[in-house]
Amino acid sequence: DAGITQSPRYKITETGRQVTLMCHQTWSHSYMFWYRQDLGHGLRLIYYSAAADITDKGEVPDGYVVSRSKTENFPLTLESATRSQTSVYFCASSEFISLTQYFGPGTRLTVL
Amino acid sequence: AQKITQTQPGMFVQEKEAVTLDCTYDTSDPSYGLFWYKQPSSGEMIFLIYQGSYDQQNATEGRYSLNFQKARKSANLVISASQLGDSAMYFCAMRESDDKIIFGKGTRLHILP
Repeated sequence: DAGITQSPRYKITETGRQVTLMCHQTWSHSYMFWYRQDLGHGLRLIYYSAAADITDKGEVPDGYVVSRSKTENFPLTLESATRSQTSVYFCASSEFISLTQYFGPGTRLTVL
Repeated sequence: AQKITQTQPGMFVQEKEAVTLDCTYDTSDPSYGLFWYKQPSSGEMIFLIYQGSYDQQNATEGRYSLNFQKARKSANLVISASQLGDSAMYFCAMRESDDKIIFGKGTRLHILP
């Protein structure tokens, strides 16, 4: 199916474990983004990527790692999960930075 | 300092009335873009409208229009003839020349029948 997908949709993990959230888009959009959404904070940009092998930090990058070896995939890794990383994570993509961002359905992550 | 400010945490509006959701922004960058997104209770983020800083006219998309007042650094979303399905969280966002996109904290809109 065309579009942007995220997996898993729900994840429960324990403090200290490594977790990888997957994001896949079928439009060959250049730009991809990772956000977290928390009550009282709206959406905050974690990392973004302008093209394959090009990534840059957003507003709240600490504790996260990204890679983009292929245009269509943009995984987000929590190397050692903490409770403060409990959140809803959204991936998004856009053809150009000024155009519409298409969001994935989100991943709800709980860190116990 | 917040770069995007949405001063209305919640709003209640009668169905069929027009709605204005406020958004002010702070930037010294001459080139920037402003977005509005809708997030219904189901959780997905839906793009509504975009305004570039150099655009001469206010952006419109169907029932949505963006009241862009550059000197006041204001980018209010106007929804004409509101519908029950417009009940949702609405986010204003800004992109600066470094390509980072900053979101406001949102306004929850309730449309009353």
